[in-house]
Amino acid sequence: KNEVEQSPQNLTAQEGEFITINCSYSVGISALHWLQQHPGGGIVSLFMLSSGKKKHGRLIATINIQEKHSSLHITASHPRDSAVYICAVRDNYGQNFVFGPGTRLSVLP
Amino acid sequence: GAGVSQSPSNKVTEKGKDVELRCDPISGHTALYWYRQSLGQGLEFLIYFQGNSAPDKSGLPSDRFSAERTGGSVSTLTIQRTQQEDSAVYLCASSLERSFYEQYFGPGTRLTVT
Repeated sequence: KNEVEQSPQNLTAQEGEFITINCSYSVGISALHWLQQHPGGGIVSLFMLSSGKKKHGRLIATINIQEKHSSLHITASHPRDSAVYICAVRDNYGQNFVFGPGTRLSVLP
Repeated sequence: GAGVSQSPSNKVTEKGKDVELRCDPISGHTALYWYRQSLGQGLEFLIYFQGNSAPDKSGLPSDRFSAERTGGSVSTLTIQRTQQEDSAVYLCASSLERSFYEQYFGPGTRLTVT
């Protein structure tokens, strides 16, 4: 069993739809990151969470430490949101990262 | 200010040669991370530095891989006797300190071993 799993693996949505990407992990963590990898390969850190919920623009990230689960939500999706979204967890010692396989999102106009 | 920079952006090398990849972190960032992403694969953590020291080198895939950081700033990742399976994009990121700060990623170095 992979330490970090994401669902769905691929997601196609129509512009304007509300999108949810899920991440589940099996290890103890100190923090969870959501990353966005653009089609050109560049990576942007979207959120870092250790508890609760964070919001930035149309993006919302939540984490449930007890259930070892995090979700990334995109409201009013737009074609420019098309990217691979990666969940990454940092272990309890704050050193190693373990990455999920990514969710490839395509938002159609 | 300037972000994380990496050089070269692309490197093609012959199997068996050594390569050095360079990362310039954001000024003032004490933590530096190396990752790699093989074609069609997810991100893989390699090593992290806090200052000049690397507390955990267990992510390095083999003893052909080494990394150093001098002056708490620039880091180099060296791959000796490159193999075709080393072909990947090597990404560097930096953050203010380890653990609880956002990481900022560089553009990556695309390494192709022929």
